[in-house]
Amino acid sequence: NAGVTQTPKFQVLKTGQSMTLQCAQDMNHNSMYWYRQDPGMGLRLIYYSASEGTTDKGEVPNGYNVSRLNKREFSLRLESAAPSQTSVYFCASRTGTGALGTEAFFGQGTRLTVV
Amino acid sequence: QQQVKQSPQSLIVQKGGISIINCAYENTAFDYFPWYQQFPGKGPALLIAIRPDVSEKKEGRFTISFNKSAKQFSLHIMDSQPGDSATYFCAAGGSNFGNEKLTFGTGTRLTIIP
Repeated sequence: NAGVTQTPKFQVLKTGQSMTLQCAQDMNHNSMYWYRQDPGMGLRLIYYSASEGTTDKGEVPNGYNVSRLNKREFSLRLESAAPSQTSVYFCASRTGTGALGTEAFFGQGTRLTVV
Repeated sequence: QQQVKQSPQSLIVQKGGISIINCAYENTAFDYFPWYQQFPGKGPALLIAIRPDVSEKKEGRFTISFNKSAKQFSLHIMDSQPGDSATYFCAAGGSNFGNEKLTFGTGTRLTIIP
């Protein structure tokens, strides 16, 4: 069981380039999340999707767009990368309902450097 | 706007001692309070979680204490071991439809020394 799979694991971009971070889960979860992790800042929520077809902004959405392609996949796009977007990005999923399935499962992360 | 505040930023504890990490939240709509553990190069993994209808939850050496009126909760690690050295994150969120947001604290780097 793969859980949450993120691609790529590492990426170097030049300022102004665009790219899409991919995330897929095979646990039939309803909710999916994108976080960025920076030293001293913890995990900050960029966007989340409560269910297929819906997306909502988190704490730091500027400079990012997301697509909930289907129940399994939730992608994060940087249209014009900036050095301030250098970070480790984590995707997570959970069912988000009731006593069962509140645990969020995380991918292994994508380490992005913008030069 | 930091909805979940965590302290301390780093903590050094001797082997066998008690590690205590504190968190405070603002949004009273939150009804799910987990703690996550992260090792270098890995994604965070759930350690223990609590709901606001109980004041304490214990799993092995790990205990969450929850104070609903103060909007605070804490993680206690008893008999701390070198293998507990990691970064710990508290989080707060919802567990029902329409309340799926999950917000994390800034993290605590815990080091257990022999």
